[in-house]
Amino acid sequence: QKEVEQNSGPLSVPEGAIASLNCTYSDRGSQSFFWYRQYSGKSPELIMSIYSNGDKEDGRFTAQLNKASQYVSLLIRDSQPSDSATYLCAVSRDTGANSKLTFGKGITLSVRP
Amino acid sequence: NAGVTQTPKFRILKIGQSMTLQCAQDMNHNYMYWYRQDPGMGLKLIYYSVGAGITDKGEVPNGYNVSRSTTEDFPLRLELAAPSQTSVYFCASRTWGSYEQYFGPGTRLTVT
Repeated sequence: QKEVEQNSGPLSVPEGAIASLNCTYSDRGSQSFFWYRQYSGKSPELIMSIYSNGDKEDGRFTAQLNKASQYVSLLIRDSQPSDSATYLCAVSRDTGANSKLTFGKGITLSVRP
Repeated sequence: NAGVTQTPKFRILKIGQSMTLQCAQDMNHNYMYWYRQDPGMGLKLIYYSVGAGITDKGEVPNGYNVSRSTTEDFPLRLELAAPSQTSVYFCASRTWGSYEQYFGPGTRLTVT
């Protein structure tokens, strides 16, 4: 059973702080990694994707991937109350037509004003 | 573009009833997916399709059926509803060459 673990949470940070969200995965053949944001009662929205080891930055968001240690993380700089949501980590082994996502349970982030 | 649309938004079923959850996308996406999300859990893949006429099982297909007669539509059929199928159902789609899945607004289903 391929698993994606998001065990830390819920997470509460003050406004302006850095929020660090972590995710580990069990399938060493995983090739694609994604972070989705889901506001309460809404559908998931893709905010970051990463495919190779290292860091990928997009505005206030940075995704970090370490395939040797099988973890992927999301850093949110200058956290805002509007960042309060559940963040889902998703992993795919396959590429191309059969690419399917395995999701973690999510981490709920609360940013205190 | 409406994106991915799902109907109905909410539904209450009695045990043993059947229903079809509708999903449509107007982005000409090849790939479509059905997920369920239980409280405090991530999304579990039920079925997916790589194109019209082609469907395959995901992680939790039991109790569900799908069809894909057109590129736009991907309905999910529940036969003999059970309380274990109480969940929020999301449909998603993506285009060839991209891994970004676009999600519909979801259908909240309660089976009592």
